Amino acid sequence: GAVVSQHPSRVICKSGTSVKIECRSLDFQATTMFWYRQFPKQSLMLMATSNEGSKATYEQGVEKDKFLINHASLTLSTLTVTSAHPEDSSFYICSADYLGQEEKLFFGSGTQLSVL
Amino acid sequence: AQSVTQLGSHVSVSEGALVLLRCNYSSSVPPYLFWYVQYPNQGLQLLLKYTTGATLVKGINGFEAEFKKSETSFHLTKPSAHMSDAAEYFCAVSSLNTGFQKLVFGTGTRLLVSP
Repeated sequence: GAVVSQHPSRVICKSGTSVKIECRSLDFQATTMFWYRQFPKQSLMLMATSNEGSKATYEQGVEKDKFLINHASLTLSTLTVTSAHPEDSSFYICSADYLGQEEKLFFGSGTQLSVL
Repeated sequence: AQSVTQLGSHVSVSEGALVLLRCNYSSSVPPYLFWYVQYPNQGLQLLLKYTTGATLVKGINGFEAEFKKSETSFHLTKPSAHMSDAAEYFCAVSSLNTGFQKLVFGTGTRLLVSP
């Protein structure tokens, strides 16, 4: 079946540094990828929709200058958390839209970001 | 706006017992409803979904869910739990209006299965 690979699975960084998270569709092309964030004991919240070759669409309240999304190819989307602060510590997860016989979403395994 | 409420952050059952995970949704338009499962260190995997048509939906691994519009519910059930069912389960909602794949998730329910 279709697989989405997300790296790294866990990252710890110092406040003020930037962190890049990669989301790859391994055996299919994804024109659309989605980025979610989950704070402890809260729901997965959609942050942005990433479309290959165009600018991402951010949900209300998500700072586009802080969370940079690049979807330069049909198999790779990256999320860069710029100048990370402790309040950015969260679980980030991506998904890719598979337009096969049946449209489906496939999810990465997530990245736990801890900002010290 | 759409929202999902999952009652119980943890549900414990014995192996062989009925599994019931509750999900209530709020939507001003006809909803699409989903259940996803997440095993440790893996991505979310679709268990089943309701879009239109038959309200009782069967999914993988023996799970099923019933869409009850009058109760705004989409509870997940399995007649007999297996140890391998232990995982985190997420209910989600979307719609044709918002975009099929723009999901709003519940907070998740961790299913614990004891021997």
